[in-house]
Amino acid sequence: AQSVTQLDSQVPVFEEAPVELRCNYSSSVSVYLFWYVQYPNQGLQLLLKYLSGSTLVKGINGFEAEFNKSQTSFHLRKPSVHISDTAEYFCAVSEQGAQKLVFGQGTRLTINP
Amino acid sequence: DADVTQTPRNRITKTGKRIMLECSQTKGHDRMYWYRQDPGLGLQLIYYSFDVKDINKGEISDGYSVSRQAQAKFSLSLESAIPNQTALYFCATSVSVGGTDTQYFGPGTRLTVL
Repeated sequence: AQSVTQLDSQVPVFEEAPVELRCNYSSSVSVYLFWYVQYPNQGLQLLLKYLSGSTLVKGINGFEAEFNKSQTSFHLRKPSVHISDTAEYFCAVSEQGAQKLVFGQGTRLTINP
Repeated sequence: DADVTQTPRNRITKTGKRIMLECSQTKGHDRMYWYRQDPGLGLQLIYYSFDVKDINKGEISDGYSVSRQAQAKFSLSLESAIPNQTALYFCATSVSVGGTDTQYFGPGTRLTVL
């Protein structure tokens, strides 16, 4: 069965600094990978997804993620964060054919002015 | 208007009470899901339904039941609520495209069991 580990529960950064949120997964088969964002008091919104093809995936709000099969990772990056990026970020994995998502524990990103 | 709506948005109840959380969608998706979110645990799948006649248990279905009244409606019930069911509950919908699903989430229901 697949599993997801988000390596940092909280990440504080200063505004306009770069950020990386780390995600590792475990699966014995091919997977699809997702990043979702949850703004305060809201539901989850899809940031980006990797299905196949190019390992660098670009999403909304300037975020991107890179799929690394050998390291079983799917880290999320943004070169310059804004106060509005303050949110909780969830990595999720779906085994091909499984049709269900397994979520990581979440990383709370806090942007300081 | 929101594509996935949940009612109520907040609910406080007492131990032993029966509670129903409702989810409606206008996306026309066949697949619907119920998750609970607890701090530090991410989202855990309670039940999911791939069509009106298909109901499946998720990771943490004990103490919960569901009803898929129509393609657009999927309700979650707590027959006898207990305090450790205090959590944020999310409904989601999806449709399979190219062998995978992208899930779309409602705004959540915050449930407190006293």
